[in-house]
Amino acid sequence: TQLLEQSPQFLSIQEGENLTVYCNSSSVFSSLQWYRQEPGEGPVLLVTVVTGGEVKKLKRLTFQFGDARKDSSLHITAAQTGDTGLYLCAGRSTGFQKLVFGTGTRLLVSP
Amino acid sequence: SAVISQKPSRDICQRGTSLTIQCQVDSQVTMMFWYRQQPGQSLTLIATANQGSEATYESGFVIDKFPISRPNLTFSTLTVSNMSPEDSSIYLCSVGGVEGAGRRNEKLFFGSGTQLSVL
Repeated sequence: TQLLEQSPQFLSIQEGENLTVYCNSSSVFSSLQWYRQEPGEGPVLLVTVVTGGEVKKLKRLTFQFGDARKDSSLHITAAQTGDTGLYLCAGRSTGFQKLVFGTGTRLLVSP
Repeated sequence: SAVISQKPSRDICQRGTSLTIQCQVDSQVTMMFWYRQQPGQSLTLIATANQGSEATYESGFVIDKFPISRPNLTFSTLTVSNMSPEDSSIYLCSVGGVEGAGRRNEKLFFGSGTQLSVL
């Protein structure tokens, strides 16, 4: 069974602070995705990373895929209240069709 | 992209009853996925709904408890049968799409979910 452990589980910060969310596994993934889910909605894709060591930036969000393709991180610079939500990483293994979702990180950004 | 309509958006049900959740997609898709998200938790895949064949269930989920229909390429239903309070969850319908070249770039589009509470 492939597991994706996210840390921290919960994070409560003030607007303007920086934060990093981690997604770790003992398994190798061919690609890894990050989704954000707001209350009452389904998850929405933020980014897909496919190459070991890859770094992608989406405005104030920076995503990195580990060199060994077993882990990933999401860094948010100068967090805003609109960043509040549940962040989920999801990995796709070589040879498998379905995504495995991480345990989730719930972020609350207060004004 | 795909637009997914899911209903009902929420329901409160009595123990022992059943609820059928509907999922309508605005385009034809080969596979539709049903996920469960328990309170404060991540997503767990229940089954993959294939058009023209029986659904494929994940470990821990059985057809008698979660029967699925897939009558055409744009519609699916999930029934939660003989409900108990432990079935209280958000149930999400999802379809796959490709955002770039290659299988690895496949992404999931989700409906807004059905919040189920069982008393």
